[in-house]
Amino acid sequence: EVQLLESGGSLVQPGGSLRLSCAASGFTFSSYAMSWVRQAPGKGLEWVSSISASGGRAYYADSVKGRFTISRDNSRSMLFFEMKTVRAEDTAVYYCVKDRLNTVTADFDYWGQGTLVTVSS
Amino acid sequence: DIQMTQSPSSLSASVGDRVTITCRTSQSITNSLNWYQQKPGKPPKLLIYDASSLQSGVPSSFSGSGSGTDFTLTISGLQPEDFATYYCQQSYSTPYTFGQGTKLEIK
Repeated sequence: EVQLLESGGSLVQPGGSLRLSCAASGFTFSSYAMSWVRQAPGKGLEWVSSISASGGRAYYADSVKGRFTISRDNSRSMLFFEMKTVRAEDTAVYYCVKDRLNTVTADFDYWGQGTLVTVSS
Repeated sequence: DIQMTQSPSSLSASVGDRVTITCRTSQSITNSLNWYQQKPGKPPKLLIYDASSLQSGVPSSFSGSGSGTDFTLTISGLQPEDFATYYCQQSYSTPYTFGQGTKLEIK
């Protein structure tokens, strides 16, 4: 059974930093692209970043480019999201998402339960 | 960026009804269109990928069609568990954008 377990979400002040983690199990992690998708409270879904299976290619939404960094550790089946210089508009539930294929197809077939990031002073 | 326009934004229907949700994109995306279902407090669930391919484990009452810029999600014979919010999403190019959602409610 595919499982994605996010952690690291918390209350952080504007301008602060945070690191999200996602522990994957139930599939060969190193064979699939992974992504982060967020959802602000009561709002719709927003793709923020994807990384290829090898970790060699990463993609970002303009809203987070230059501030957030996606990475992965295939030896530990872990996905990470380093968030720096956070803003109030980054407040959202962040979902760790598995791609359907090994390339970044953005067909998101499995989602974690999400971790809440709240940016507020 | 590719803009996604879903309609309607909300829909009331009864158990057993057939409903259709539409998604229009601002430019052609061939068949790179996915549909998701989200229930309150839960993560989204992939229903349809590549416009018309049914994700494993999803009931055949769900179907998708379309190509280019116009797509539809059809649910035949609504069940109580189908009442949720539905999102379309283009997987053609970054940024991978979602529609604003369609909330399907019980009449």
